[in-house]
Amino acid sequence: KNQVEQSPQSLIILEGKNCTLQCNYTVSPFSNLRWYKQDTGRGPVSLTIMTFSENTKSNGRYTATLDADTKQSSLHITASQLSDSASYICVVRSSSGGFKTIFGAGTRLFVKA
Amino acid sequence: NAGVTQTPKFQVLKTGQSMTLQCAQDMNHNSMYWYRQDPGMGLRLIYYSASEGTTDKGEVPNGYNVSRLNKREFSLRLESAAPSQTSVYFCASSVARGEQAATQYFGPGTRLLVL
Repeated sequence: KNQVEQSPQSLIILEGKNCTLQCNYTVSPFSNLRWYKQDTGRGPVSLTIMTFSENTKSNGRYTATLDADTKQSSLHITASQLSDSASYICVVRSSSGGFKTIFGAGTRLFVKA
Repeated sequence: NAGVTQTPKFQVLKTGQSMTLQCAQDMNHNSMYWYRQDPGMGLRLIYYSASEGTTDKGEVPNGYNVSRLNKREFSLRLESAAPSQTSVYFCASSVARGEQAATQYFGPGTRLLVL
């Protein structure tokens, strides 16, 4: 069964600290993996996309990694800011079934001053 | 560009009532989607429209119908609302569903409470 699991469910960190969010998936065959940021009361917004051959991709203070062998991805946030408080959703796309997209439940990040 | 817009933002219904959620995009995208988001769960696809004139069921289509009115607009209808349909509904669009790396752009969501 195609699944995407994220950990932790929620996380509280102090402003300026770093954090890493995890995503494990069992989706096969794999096409790509995205991380989305969802602010409270808003729709998700894409942060990064990674394909099978990519190990690391950065978008400002956000760095995503992908290990396609172990089917794991992480999102590292550097020097966190209050505006980073949001849910971060891992989304994996399968190349079968018309490019089926499976969403993780998200990690809720709270950045405190 | 407004991107993806949804109306209404909030809605309270009684069990058995009907309503239509509206969605429009101004990015000239071919594909549009309706998702629901429930606490502790990932977004689940209700229906999608790969291109104007076509619609297909997603993961959780029961109790819903859709209409792709034109290239810009994709509506979701609840014919007889049930408490289990209490959720946040998101509309999204992308250049083309079949494109491997197509980014989905989401609207702000409609919060629906069915009593």
